[in-house]
Amino acid sequence: GAVVSQHPSRVICKSGTSVKIECRSLDFQATTMFWYRQFPKKSLMLMATSNEGSKATYEQGVEKDKFLINHASLTLSTLTVTSAHPEDSSFYICSARDLNTWETQYFGPGTRLLVL
Amino acid sequence: KQEVTQIPAALSVPEGENLVLNCSFTDSAIYNLQWFRQDPGKGLTSLLLIQSSQREQTSGRLNASLDKSSGRSTLYIAASQPGDSATYLCATFSSGSARQLTFGSGTQLTVLP
Repeated sequence: GAVVSQHPSRVICKSGTSVKIECRSLDFQATTMFWYRQFPKKSLMLMATSNEGSKATYEQGVEKDKFLINHASLTLSTLTVTSAHPEDSSFYICSARDLNTWETQYFGPGTRLLVL
Repeated sequence: KQEVTQIPAALSVPEGENLVLNCSFTDSAIYNLQWFRQDPGKGLTSLLLIQSSQREQTSGRLNASLDKSSGRSTLYIAASQPGDSATYLCATFSSGSARQLTFGSGTQLTVLP
């Protein structure tokens, strides 16, 4: 089956630093990848949709300069949390959509970010 | 804007019980509805996907139903086991231009041995 990986799985950083999270589709090509954020005991909130080779589309209320998304290839998207603050601490999950089955998303295992 | 609600937020049952998790959504213009399982600190595992034209889907001890007109879906788990303990999320896939998943807040299930 389709596999999506995320790296790192967990990161702790100091306030003010930037953190990059990678999302990779391992055995399929993903023209579209999605980034979600999940607070404890809450649902997944879509942050942005990224299409390979073009700018990401951000959901209302998500700062694009704060959360930089790059989707340079059909198998890799990155989310960079710039100048991280404690309120950015959360669980970040990516998903990827197969080129041929646009209605199905495959989810990564998530990245736990803790900003001190 | 689609809103997805799951009730109850948490549920605790003894092993062996059959149980039903509920999901409701406000916009019936959906392409499909999915049920996911999420273990603590982990990503999502897709359990069942129901197309808008379908009424139900079954996989092992799981059965999901969809009533699009009333905006409801249920996930039935038969003969629950401690290994079923997890958070169960439902999500609708919009058939509009958005083409995105909207998630409910989940039901945290605990099956007691």
